[in-house]
Amino acid sequence: QKEVEQNSGPLSVPEGAIASLNCTYSDRGSQSFFWYRQYSGKSPELIMSIYSNGDKEDGRFTAQLNKASQYVSLLIRDSQPSDSATYLCAVNGYDMRFGAGTRLTVKP
Amino acid sequence: SQTIHQWPATLVQPVGSPLSLECTVEGTSNPNLYWYRQAAGRGLQLLFYSVGIGQISSEVPQNLSASRPQDRQFILSSKKLLLSDSGFYLCAWSRVARTDTQYFGPGTRLTVL
Repeated sequence: QKEVEQNSGPLSVPEGAIASLNCTYSDRGSQSFFWYRQYSGKSPELIMSIYSNGDKEDGRFTAQLNKASQYVSLLIRDSQPSDSATYLCAVNGYDMRFGAGTRLTVKP
Repeated sequence: SQTIHQWPATLVQPVGSPLSLECTVEGTSNPNLYWYRQAAGRGLQLLFYSVGIGQISSEVPQNLSASRPQDRQFILSSKKLLLSDSGFYLCAWSRVARTDTQYFGPGTRLTVL
């Protein structure tokens, strides 16, 4: 079983829609959770971090964490073509583990 | 603010040649430093991390090595490159422990022919 699992996609949504990206993890002791965005050919950049159960909002982005279900998600509201990228989920327990990423395409 | 640099940005090397990739961080002291490799369409693989000068931990046995000669400098090396060493090499830093937020440099795209 992979430590951090993401649907590889591609996930395609129309411009203006909500994109929902999901991630599950296996280490119940994990304390910190991160979402990174990686444009093609570029390095990952941090979008959000979340540490407590519930929702955390930052602009058009909302991270959701459910530690009991070992599940973290990222919602992108009013998706724009510029949001087209691969989104990496990262989970920190003893050390940082990354998912393989979900490729998101936002169509104009 | 903190800045992380990597060079070169791209590199094409023949099999069996040596390798040296450099990473430097500005604007912070005693960072934790990391080397990752990302193969095409794959996730991030942690290669090495360092908590201080001369302190290197290796995560994956391979023909690569790392060194930290200065507080904010991290070097990835190989004596003889293999085809399988091709990939996108990323340096990252964090303030405190391995559980802290990691910030990535721009990366080096290595192609071994």
